Amino acid sequence: SQTIHQWPATLVQPVGSPLSLECTVEGTSNPNLYWYRQAAGRGLQLLFYSVGIGQISSEVPQNLSASRPQDRQFILSSKKLLLSDSGFYLCAWSPGYEKLFFGSGTQLSVL
Amino acid sequence: KQEVTQIPAALSVPEGENLVLNCSFTDSAIYNLQWFRQDPGKGLTSLLLIQSSQREQTSGRLNASLDKSSGRSTLYIAASQPGDSATYLCAVSNQAGTALIFGKGTTLSVSS
Repeated sequence: SQTIHQWPATLVQPVGSPLSLECTVEGTSNPNLYWYRQAAGRGLQLLFYSVGIGQISSEVPQNLSASRPQDRQFILSSKKLLLSDSGFYLCAWSPGYEKLFFGSGTQLSVL
Repeated sequence: KQEVTQIPAALSVPEGENLVLNCSFTDSAIYNLQWFRQDPGKGLTSLLLIQSSQREQTSGRLNASLDKSSGRSTLYIAASQPGDSATYLCAVSNQAGTALIFGKGTTLSVSS
């Protein structure tokens, strides 16, 4: 069966520090991968999605970037965090056309 | 641009009551619609997926309906239980393989 791993579960970072969140999927190949952010009082916002290695689409211009160095690995990064980057970050995967499966999320607090 | 709205934002009911959660979307040309459940501080769990050609899907006490022409979907929960307390999110996909667009969710509280 397929599983998705996302870490860390919580993270507290100072403003201006770098960020790296990692997500990996097991039990499938060539998944579509997604990064979403859920801020307090707001809906889920799609940040990036990828349909293959090295293929990244950005939905919202911002302080973040994403990379897919391997088929089942998706990384969310920032060189310098802003206060507004605080939120709940969710990684997700899908086989392409059907259900979306989410990781357990990372609660990021930028202070 | 597709927008998804969920009403109400919060709902409190006593145990055993049947309830309906509403979801509306502005662009009726959707590929599919999904309902998710999110517990506090956790990721999302997919509950039901309805393809654009379908009218409804059922899983246990849950029934989701889809009316594309009016841009609406409902999630019906029968005989609610305290364990059903969570936030329920609706999401639509406009094309095959594209990312989902989410509503802000309805937070349900079922009291015993």
